[in-house]
Amino acid sequence: AAGVIQSPRHLIKEKRETATLKCYPIPRHDTVYWYQQGPGQDPQFLISFYEKMQSDKGSIPDRFSAQQFSDYHSELNMSSLELGDSALYFCASSPRGGNGYTFGSGTRLTVV
Amino acid sequence: SQQGEEDPQALSIQEGENATMNCSYKTSINNLQWYRQNSGRGLVHLILIRSNEREKHSGRLRVTLDTSKKSSSLLITASRAADTASYFCATRSGAGSYQLTFGKGTKLSVIP
Repeated sequence: AAGVIQSPRHLIKEKRETATLKCYPIPRHDTVYWYQQGPGQDPQFLISFYEKMQSDKGSIPDRFSAQQFSDYHSELNMSSLELGDSALYFCASSPRGGNGYTFGSGTRLTVV
Repeated sequence: SQQGEEDPQALSIQEGENATMNCSYKTSINNLQWYRQNSGRGLVHLILIRSNEREKHSGRLRVTLDTSKKSSSLLITASRAADTASYFCATRSGAGSYQLTFGKGTKLSVIP
C-alpha cells in the first residue's frame, strides 16, 4: 500500500538559506500535518491542513510557511535558516477525523 | 507543561522479558496513540486507544488507559531484540483539534 512520501530524505543547507520540503499524503487522505523533531526530542507539531486550508497551527516559526495544493500534497518552506532548525521533519496524513495517522519517513535537515 | 510525559526515559531489559512504559497527560483527550521510532527513522503507529476504552491488545502489545488518572501504559510481552527502539505516546485532544501532542519517549533496549 502507498505510504506518505517525503522528499528529499536528506538536505544540507547553510545558515540564512531557504529550504522546501515536500510531502505526498496517502491517497484519499485530506489532512496533512507537519512535525519537527530535534535531536533526542519528541516530535513537535508545526501546522496542519485540511482540504487545502490551514486547520491548526502549532509552534511554527514565522520564518516557516506551508501550504497544501489541489492534489493534496504539501510543502513546508523554511527561510533564513538557523542552526537550530536542524532536525527531522515529519509529514503525516490522515482522513478527516484525525484517526489513522500515517507518518512519512521524514526529511533530515542539517543547517551548517 | 508537556503533554504526554513518558516514564521511564530509558529502559534496558533482557530478551524474553516484558517491558512496561507509562505515559501521563494533562488535558482531556479523544484518543491516545503509541508510536515506535527506530533511531533516526520514521514514526510507526502501534496502537490507538479511545477515551472510552480501558484496555486494548494487539499481538504482543497491551495498552491500558486510565482517564481518571490521565495515564496510559504500554506493555510489550516476550520482548525481542528487534523491539529496541524509542516509544512515544501521543494524545489527540477533543473535537476540532486533530494534531497529536507527543511525549518525551522511552528508549527501550532489549539485550539478546
